[in-house]
Amino acid sequence: DQQVKQNSPSLSVQEGRISILNCDYTNSMFDYFLWYKKYPAEGPTFLISISSIKDKNEDGRFTVFLNKSAKHLSLHIVPSQPGDSAVYFCAASANFNKFYFGSGTKLNVKP
Amino acid sequence: DAGVTQSPTHLIKTRGQQVTLRCSPKSGHDTVSWYQQALGQGPQFIFQYYEEEERQRGNFPDRFSGHQFPNYSSELNVNALLLGDSALYLCASSGQAGNTIYFGEGSWLTVV
Repeated sequence: DQQVKQNSPSLSVQEGRISILNCDYTNSMFDYFLWYKKYPAEGPTFLISISSIKDKNEDGRFTVFLNKSAKHLSLHIVPSQPGDSAVYFCAASANFNKFYFGSGTKLNVKP
Repeated sequence: DAGVTQSPTHLIKTRGQQVTLRCSPKSGHDTVSWYQQALGQGPQFIFQYYEEEERQRGNFPDRFSGHQFPNYSSELNVNALLLGDSALYLCASSGQAGNTIYFGEGSWLTVV
């Protein structure tokens, strides 16, 4: 059951520009969302989270937006840096139970 | 502060064999979850342990079993290995709030 979807398998952005990664979900019971970054041969690293009571959360260059009516969230990275090149996963859960992950978006930030 | 540690990092097994993977949670965390990540896919939830009991389970067969010890560390066991079990197995730990999970580096399992 694909409850969390990342429809863009890859994204290429110029250094200094904005990267926007998108994620859609189907389960209206989801109330907590996470973004993870993963480098090859490493485990996922937590980036930023958002609760369903908010529609925006910022942490430095990273901002997550949540649109509950559209069941859509996005991660904005500004400005993008070459070190941001990785696979980004969004994940969602209901009541902090098991997390459902998307299939990931591979971001390539070109110098 | 050590994060989530997993062992072994890589291993190769033959079809039909059994494997045990180990995980030590982040200090202060009491809940351990296991995920399977196949190539090109996102992590899939296997099960979660809390207070030495399986609290939740994903859509995985009974060949996948686990255990949590009093010190909160955990093991994942897979019996009768299939080629399709080849994947990265991730352990994640969380605290009482459970609102953020921290992942280990994973154990790469190859079944031949």
